[in-house]
Amino acid sequence: AQSVTQLGSHVSVSEGALVLLRCNYSSSVPPYLFWYVQYPNQGLQLLLKYTSAATLVKGINGFEAEFKKSETSFHLTKPSAHMSDAAEYFCAVTQGNAGKSTFGDGTTLTVKP
Amino acid sequence: NAGVTQTPKFQVLKTGQSMTLQCAQDMNHEYMSWYRQDPGMGLRLIHYSVGAGITDQGEVPNGYNVSRSTTEDFPLRLLSAAPSQTSVYFCASSSIGDSGANVLTFGAGSRLTVL
Repeated sequence: AQSVTQLGSHVSVSEGALVLLRCNYSSSVPPYLFWYVQYPNQGLQLLLKYTSAATLVKGINGFEAEFKKSETSFHLTKPSAHMSDAAEYFCAVTQGNAGKSTFGDGTTLTVKP
Repeated sequence: NAGVTQTPKFQVLKTGQSMTLQCAQDMNHEYMSWYRQDPGMGLRLIHYSVGAGITDQGEVPNGYNVSRSTTEDFPLRLLSAAPSQTSVYFCASSSIGDSGANVLTFGAGSRLTVL
């Protein structure tokens, strides 16, 4: 079985501050891990993915995430928040069967001017 | 390239009515899936398909039917709508990339209200 826990349903940062969104996973086999972003009234789009090629993964819009097996974590970071980063962020894990991704409950990021 | 197209975008139903949410993809992806999104609960998998003619249940399949007669289409049927099915529904398609990862491409969503 696989599961994802996102710590903090709401995160608020000031523009220019560090963004840190937390994700912990459980998986019985080496997982594929993803971060997706959802802007208001839109579908989800891929930010970045971990596929075991490298533990530090860079994505779009300056985001990156580090896979830490010992901590079963895949936290998302961005050094300097921009107003356009305000959105809901979902961590997801996939193992085995295609299309069966398990999502966390999501974290809403608010960026204050 | 349209990607994943869902229709309708909005729908209001009365309890007991039936309807079909349509999903089509033009990327020749072998895998398709339906999720529902409810506040504070993330996305939950309803049904998925690994190819034409093959479907299986996800986490919350009760009250929903699917079929996959072609690679492109994966409709979701509500047989007798209930207020608990009020939600936003997302269709997604995917294929295994060179890395082995299965990246989902989502539609824009269908917002369903059951009165």
